[in-house]
Amino acid sequence: EAGVAQSPRYKIIEKRQSVAFWCNPISGHATLYWYQQILGQGPKLLIQFQNNGVVDDSQLPKDRFSAERLKGVDSTLKIQPAKLEDSAVYLCASSPAGGGALHFGNGTRLTVT
Amino acid sequence: AQSVTQPDIHITVSEGASLELRCNYSYGATPYLFWYVQSPGQGLQLLLKYFSGDTLVQGIKGFEAEFKRSQSSFNLRKPSVHWSDAAEYFCAVGSGSARQLTFGSGTQLTVLP
Repeated sequence: EAGVAQSPRYKIIEKRQSVAFWCNPISGHATLYWYQQILGQGPKLLIQFQNNGVVDDSQLPKDRFSAERLKGVDSTLKIQPAKLEDSAVYLCASSPAGGGALHFGNGTRLTVT
Repeated sequence: AQSVTQPDIHITVSEGASLELRCNYSYGATPYLFWYVQSPGQGLQLLLKYFSGDTLVQGIKGFEAEFKRSQSSFNLRKPSVHWSDAAEYFCAVGSGSARQLTFGSGTQLTVLP
C-alpha cells in the first residue's frame, strides 16, 4: 500500500511570508493529523481531522495557522504570516477510522529566515 | 493530561551489544503505547505497539518492549544492536481510542563499530 505522501520536502521562506504544505493520507484512512516537530523535540499535535471534520485543534496557533481537509481525503496546512519559531518539520499522519497506530509521511522541513 | 518521559537524551552502544531505551508515561486510564524510530530526514516508522494482552510485545527489526503498569514504564530492548539501528527513538502514549499520540522528546542512539 502507498504510504502517506507529503510535499514539498523542503521549504525556505522569510519571516512574514506565507507557506502551504500538502498531505495525502493512506487510502481509506479516515483520520488525519498534522504534527510539528521542532529540532531536538518530539512531534507535537497541531490538528486532527476525522473525515472532513476537525476533532481537535486546541494546539493550533489559529492566529497564523490554518488547515483544511475539504473532501475528507487530502489536507493542506497553511502558515500566514510565518515567524522564525515556526522553523520545524511538519509531519502528516493518518490512521484507520477504528483507531490504531499512526502512519507518518516523511515530513516537510520548513526554515524561516 | 497524558505525558511521556524519555530520560536518556543520547545513548551510545557498541555494535553487537544489548540495548535498552527507557520510557515512562503518565496517563489516567489503560494506556496505548508505541515506539517509533526516525532516521535523519525521514518520517516516523512504527516499531511496535501495546494495546492490551501480553505485556511483552515483539516488533520489527528484532525489537521488543515490556509494559510494566506498576512502574508506568514501556522500555524498548534489543539483544544485539546493528549499525543500521542508529537513529532517534520516540516513545508515545495514545488516548483511549489510540487516536491521539503524545510523544516523548526522543532518545538519539549512536552505534559504535
